[in-house]
Amino acid sequence: EDQVTQSPEALRLQEGESSSLNCSYTVSGLRGLFWYRQDPGKGPEFLFTLYSAGEEKEKERLKATLTKKESFLHITAPKPEDSATYLCAVRVGGGATNKLIFGTGTLLAVQP
Amino acid sequence: EAQVTQNPRYLITVTGKKLTVTCSQNMNHEYMSWYRQDPGLGLRQIYYSMNVEVTDKGDVPEGYKVSRKEKRNFPLILESPSPNQTSLYFCASSHGTGSSYNSPLHFGNGTRLTVT
Repeated sequence: EDQVTQSPEALRLQEGESSSLNCSYTVSGLRGLFWYRQDPGKGPEFLFTLYSAGEEKEKERLKATLTKKESFLHITAPKPEDSATYLCAVRVGGGATNKLIFGTGTLLAVQP
Repeated sequence: EAQVTQNPRYLITVTGKKLTVTCSQNMNHEYMSWYRQDPGLGLRQIYYSMNVEVTDKGDVPEGYKVSRKEKRNFPLILESPSPNQTSLYFCASSHGTGSSYNSPLHFGNGTRLTVT
């Protein structure tokens, strides 16, 4: 069964304290791994897509990496405005559908 | 502004009273989908549509209906809501055909439904 697991469930950091969020997956035929950010009361907002092991993407203080079994979202010198829930999702299967399987997210709180 | 618009944002109803949650996108996306988000379960797909008049079941379709008569609209219909359908619902869209099928989903801001 295709599965996506995120850890930790929650993470509290001090401003400037770098850390990483983990997304591990067991799927039959990865067709892309996505990272989203979700703020309270809003829908998920797209951050990155990764397609193959070894690929990296960066945006401001965030960097996403991908291996054959997991992805990491590295947060460097976070600020309070980085506080949000970060969701990982994988696209699986064949055909032209865009179905994603989501993890349950990591709730990040960055304190000033 | 490119966006996915859902209405209403909040809805409280009683068991068995039919309701419709509307979803509209202005990005000319072919692919649209409905998800529900529950604590500890994450986002789960209810239904999706590859294009006008083409819909298919996701992982949790029981108790829901959808239609896609126009490209921009994808309403979610609960014919006889039950308390286990109390959840946060999200509509999403993307380019979804040919080489762009891996394009990211754009989400609406959600509809919080309570069924008593």
